[in-house]
Amino acid sequence: GQNIDQPTEMTATEGAIVQINCTYQTSGFNGLFWYQQHAGEAPTFLSYNVLDGLEEKGRFSSFLSRSKGYSYLLLKELQMKDSASYLCAGMDSNYQLIWGAGTKLIIKP
Amino acid sequence: GAVVSQHPSWVICKSGTSVKIECRSLDFQATTMFWYRQFPKQSLMLMATSNEGSKATYEQGVEKDKFLINHASLTLSTLTVTSAHPEDSSFYICSAHSGGPTETQYFGPGTRLLVL
Repeated sequence: GQNIDQPTEMTATEGAIVQINCTYQTSGFNGLFWYQQHAGEAPTFLSYNVLDGLEEKGRFSSFLSRSKGYSYLLLKELQMKDSASYLCAGMDSNYQLIWGAGTKLIIKP
Repeated sequence: GAVVSQHPSWVICKSGTSVKIECRSLDFQATTMFWYRQFPKQSLMLMATSNEGSKATYEQGVEKDKFLINHASLTLSTLTVTSAHPEDSSFYICSAHSGGPTETQYFGPGTRLLVL
């Protein structure tokens, strides 16, 4: 079956670094996406990885290991506005996204 | 980046009425559009995949006669919730895929439906 696992909730301090992990099992693989979703809003795209390695985009970086079925999203210099749910999604062989349940990130001052 | 719009953003209706939600890709042609539903504190659930000019493909457990999807053009898909009931109250989100296997899905802002 297809499955995406990520922690339900994480807490971090403003200014710190946090890593949100995601493991995936998909039927075929066409990439791994990370989205940010604030409460009551639609998800917004953060990153896409299809090759192994680290992709850096400002304060956010995403890593992929296809052999391990593993990805993480790294958020640096945390700001209060980063409090949100972070959704990991794998794209299967039919180019459909398989969604994780999301990780609720709580930022404390 | 690419922009996807949804209309309306909020709908409150009486039980038994039908509600139409529009999803438009504003600056690109979307060969495929997806419709999701999200209940409070839950993950996105794919309802159906809509390809321009063909019938939508519905996920298991989603009633195609209740959730009518039309993808008449490369920039517009509509979801009609027919004879809506309170249990259909949810956040409905569309996304558009611009084509090519690894193009990103761009999400609309979502439509919140409340059925009284």
